[in-house]
Amino acid sequence: DSGVTQTPKHLITATGQRVTLRCSPRSGDLSVYWYQQSLDQGLQFLIQYYNGEERAKGNILERFSAQQFPDLHSELNLSSLELGDSALYFCASSPGRQETQYFGPGTRLLVL
Amino acid sequence: GESVGLHLPTLSVQEGDNSIINCAYSNSASDYFIWYKQESGKGPQFIIDIRSNMDKRQGQRVTVLLNKTVKHLSLQIAATQPGDSAVYFCAEKNSNSGYALNFGKGTSLLVTP
Repeated sequence: DSGVTQTPKHLITATGQRVTLRCSPRSGDLSVYWYQQSLDQGLQFLIQYYNGEERAKGNILERFSAQQFPDLHSELNLSSLELGDSALYFCASSPGRQETQYFGPGTRLLVL
Repeated sequence: GESVGLHLPTLSVQEGDNSIINCAYSNSASDYFIWYKQESGKGPQFIIDIRSNMDKRQGQRVTVLLNKTVKHLSLQIAATQPGDSAVYFCAEKNSNSGYALNFGKGTSLLVTP
């Protein structure tokens, strides 16, 4: 157990819908990262937050957004969902500006 | 673009043997490397990391070797056990990626009795 928690574990929704994925980092970790894992693209970095502020953006679609709250938990919002958004979404956290990231168990999203 | 890739997509080893998983990277500015293990239905689990100023680092039953000359990284697992069966990912960080990790495609390790 990495100490990173994610909810929900599974999510099934329809195209065009909007969902919110939640992540709680390890106690004391200030950085939160979101990754998408699909069969054809592997693990892709989406976005990073550090102590409430956005710090880095990767291959995140404009339909996707995230935020980190004062209690350091983070939410990833996915809107106007498409079939191709079906994937595993992982959250990771790190103590500060250190590189070692610890991953949560993921949320499996299925868009029908 | 820059990429991190794996030589072997699948590796089958017998229990008790040593395993070697390879990874190539293309960005000469990569300064930090990390190996993760991912079991089915779970998130990536940290195994070991190494910085670019090192050539070798050892952990419990695992060793990571870094050859910056040929941009190659390997993970050695000693006395492989059935519980080591999983997908292994290498990832790298460079000055352009900030603190984001760039992952390779993964190698599936199967340990047979």
